[in-house]
Amino acid sequence: AQSVTQLGSHVSVSEGALVLLRCNYSSSVPPYLFWYVQYPNQGLQLLLKYTTGATLVKGINGFEAEFKKSETSFHLTKPSAHMSDAAEYFCAVTDFGNEKLTFGTGTRLTIIP
Amino acid sequence: GAGVSQTPSNKVTEKGKYVELRCDPISGHTALYWYRQSLGQGPEFLIYFQGTGAADDSGLPNDRFFAVRPEGSVSTLKIQRTERGDSAVYLCASSLLGGGGTGELFFGEGSRLTVL
Repeated sequence: AQSVTQLGSHVSVSEGALVLLRCNYSSSVPPYLFWYVQYPNQGLQLLLKYTTGATLVKGINGFEAEFKKSETSFHLTKPSAHMSDAAEYFCAVTDFGNEKLTFGTGTRLTIIP
Repeated sequence: GAGVSQTPSNKVTEKGKYVELRCDPISGHTALYWYRQSLGQGPEFLIYFQGTGAADDSGLPNDRFFAVRPEGSVSTLKIQRTERGDSAVYLCASSLLGGGGTGELFFGEGSRLTVL
């Protein structure tokens, strides 16, 4: 079975500061990893994904994440937080041929002006 | 439509009643998914359709839950004899082809179900 652990249900950062949201996964097969974002009153939206190839993946709105197999991690970062980044972020895992995404419990990101 | 549409956005019902939740996916998307999100939790997979058929229904919690997609477009999630534990936000998503796990899912805003 696959699982995802997101450390920190709530994270607050100052505007302009580094954003780091942590995600660790468990999978017995090579994983496909995703970050989704949910803005208030909107549906979940894909930020970025890792399937194969380059382990550093870039997504929308300046976010990026690095797949580290040795650490079973896929942490999400952004160099400089913006007020518009305030949202809930979900890490998810699946694998080749598997349509079922397993999500973490989410991290709510608050930006302090 | 422009995105995935779910109706109703909110549904309050009494324990034991029957409920239907509707999902209208993005036009042309052959893959459709239902997830359930309980308070403080991430979305939990329920069922996946490819076209008209349920390709994976392993996430349906019990036989009170059933979903259909008769014409390969709109889907309805049906819950019989609702229980208070069914209270959650039910999310629908669609994807162009399914993608074998690599495709981007487009989510609707969800239907919030409250069972009193």
